[in-house]
Amino acid sequence: GNSVTQMEGPVTLSEEAFLTINCTYTATGYPSLFWYVQYPGEGLQLLLKATKADDKGSNKGFEATYRKETTSFHLEKGSVQVSDSAVYFCALGAGSYQLTFGKGTKLSVIP
Amino acid sequence: DAGVIQSPRHEVTEMGQEVTLRCKPISGHDYLFWYRQTMMRGLELLIYFNNNVPIDDSGMPEDRFSAKMPNASFSTLKIQPSEPRDSAVYFCASSPATRPGNTIYFGEGSWLTVV
Repeated sequence: GNSVTQMEGPVTLSEEAFLTINCTYTATGYPSLFWYVQYPGEGLQLLLKATKADDKGSNKGFEATYRKETTSFHLEKGSVQVSDSAVYFCALGAGSYQLTFGKGTKLSVIP
Repeated sequence: DAGVIQSPRHEVTEMGQEVTLRCKPISGHDYLFWYRQTMMRGLELLIYFNNNVPIDDSGMPEDRFSAKMPNASFSTLKIQPSEPRDSAVYFCASSPATRPGNTIYFGEGSWLTVV
């Protein structure tokens, strides 16, 4: 079946540090891949997505590249801000209209 | 555009009481999902509908939980009787039916506490 594995948190970084959150997946067929972000007290929001191999999704300074050869979709940002503190979820959609989510990685950015 | 609208945002109830959570999906979306989020279990899919018809309810924890979608613009998730272990954030989400793997749009959640 489909599954998503993302790095355990929490992750604590200083402002302007480089961020990487690892995500790998197992799926049949050719899934679409997503990163969602959940700010405190809010619902999940789509951050970025990629629908085929080698696509790069980007938004708000975040990037992730769909790597079929390594079945990965790692999230990166060159310089994090305090306002990026949130929980980040990797997800995949393949063969059905529901998404399979990872467990989430909590990011805290300190000034 | 209005997003997915959920009510109530917060509810505190006593054990044994009935709880009804409500959701209005984004207009034109054919899929509606109910998720539950807890610290211990993370984000769990409870049930989803396509064109108002329940497709997969295998995530519904037990018979105390029921969900309905009487029309394209409204859905409810009911817990009767409620128990303290039902305390969680319940999210409703919707998606257009353009193709599998399409973006799902979440509401802001209903924060339920059962005491």
